[in-house]
Amino acid sequence: DTGVSQDPRHKITKRGQNVTFRCDPISEHNRLYWYRQTLGQGPEFLTYFQNEAQLEKSRLLSDRFSAERPKGSFSTLEIQRTEQGDSAMYLCASSPWGQYFGPGTRLTVT
Amino acid sequence: DQQVKQNSPSLSVQEGRISILNCDYTNSMFDYFLWYKKYPAEGPTFLISISSIKDKNEDGRFTVFLNKSAKHLSLHIVPSQPGDSAVYFCAASVNFGNEKLTFGTGTRLTIIP
Repeated sequence: DTGVSQDPRHKITKRGQNVTFRCDPISEHNRLYWYRQTLGQGPEFLTYFQNEAQLEKSRLLSDRFSAERPKGSFSTLEIQRTEQGDSAMYLCASSPWGQYFGPGTRLTVT
Repeated sequence: DQQVKQNSPSLSVQEGRISILNCDYTNSMFDYFLWYKKYPAEGPTFLISISSIKDKNEDGRFTVFLNKSAKHLSLHIVPSQPGDSAVYFCAASVNFGNEKLTFGTGTRLTIIP
């Protein structure tokens, strides 16, 4: 197991389209986190899962965002009706105690 | 409300010298602190952490110091190497890292050969 993986690495979409990102955590890590990073800022927490249960959602996660982690393995993050302000790097991390990050998905909304 | 602050956006250090990166926090509930290194187009890479019951943790060339009364921590890298050039993020959490991380805005470290 080589670490947390994310797919796709890059996504360009037009405003108003829906996008979905996938995260595969390190095997046996029961906690999975999503963060968003914009230029010049540190990553900002979006949501996290303990196994398949979504335990917390940030107020940054508007109604257009939804995340799932069926069966407590991989997770998906969907953004509906994308806006230009959604352009960012979306990072996934998994953890037994501290957090190991994937390479991120860079989203560009045109 | 920036609960974790890295007031130096950039730092340049001569190769072989010590690099000192600073971080301040405001939330007294934070009890676990981490440093991450980030290269362009990659996710953050965990470097070193410290819990609030300690004031120092060392791992090879990296040492983190925690001053709880001042709500301040620092990362020392010695000796600095060209491969250390990256953006460094300080992060904090409640409950020994088992909760969400709150990140600072990062410090870009450049090591001059």
